[in-house]
Amino acid sequence: QKEVEQNSGPLSVPEGAIASLNCTYSDRGSQSFFWYRQYSGKSPELIMSIYSNGDKEDGRFTAQLNKASQYVSLLIRDSQPSDSATYLCAVRVVSSGTYKYIFGTGTRLKVLA
Amino acid sequence: DAGVIQSPRHEVTEMGQEVTLRCKPISGHDYLFWYRQTMMRGLELLIYFNNNVPIDDSGMPEDRFSAKMPNASFSTLKIQPSEPRDSAVYFCASSHGGAFDEQYFGPGTRLTVT
Repeated sequence: QKEVEQNSGPLSVPEGAIASLNCTYSDRGSQSFFWYRQYSGKSPELIMSIYSNGDKEDGRFTAQLNKASQYVSLLIRDSQPSDSATYLCAVRVVSSGTYKYIFGTGTRLKVLA
Repeated sequence: DAGVIQSPRHEVTEMGQEVTLRCKPISGHDYLFWYRQTMMRGLELLIYFNNNVPIDDSGMPEDRFSAKMPNASFSTLKIQPSEPRDSAVYFCASSHGGAFDEQYFGPGTRLTVT
């Protein structure tokens, strides 16, 4: 079992719709959760971080964390063609006093105009 | 702030040659990370430093890879000798560390070993 799993996609949504991206993780010691956006040929760009159960909203983006079920999701409201990119879920785990950072392989999102 | 700076942006080299990748983290960030990204394996953490000290190098694939951070504003990742399977995009990232540990990535170095 991969430590951080994401559906590779592509996830296609029409412009203006809500895009829902999901991520599951295996280590219950995971503390911090991040969503990065990566355009083709570019570096990952931090979109949101979430540390506590529940929802966290920032503009059109909402991150949701459920530690009991070990999943984190990202909702993008009013999706735009410029949101088309690969979205990476990342998890930070503390193990033996050091941090371990694990990225999922990403979900490719296509927003259709 | 200029963000994380990496050089070179592209590197093409022949198998067996030494390759050195460079990174300047964001000023004031205590943590520096080196990642490798390929289509097959995604984004992999190779090594990270805290206050210039290597903390976890368990992701370094083999002894051909080495990383140093001689001061707070500079780090290198060296591959010697390079092999075609080392071809990938190498990213450097930095963060403040602590409980709220958001990483900021540099533009990456695309390495091609022929």
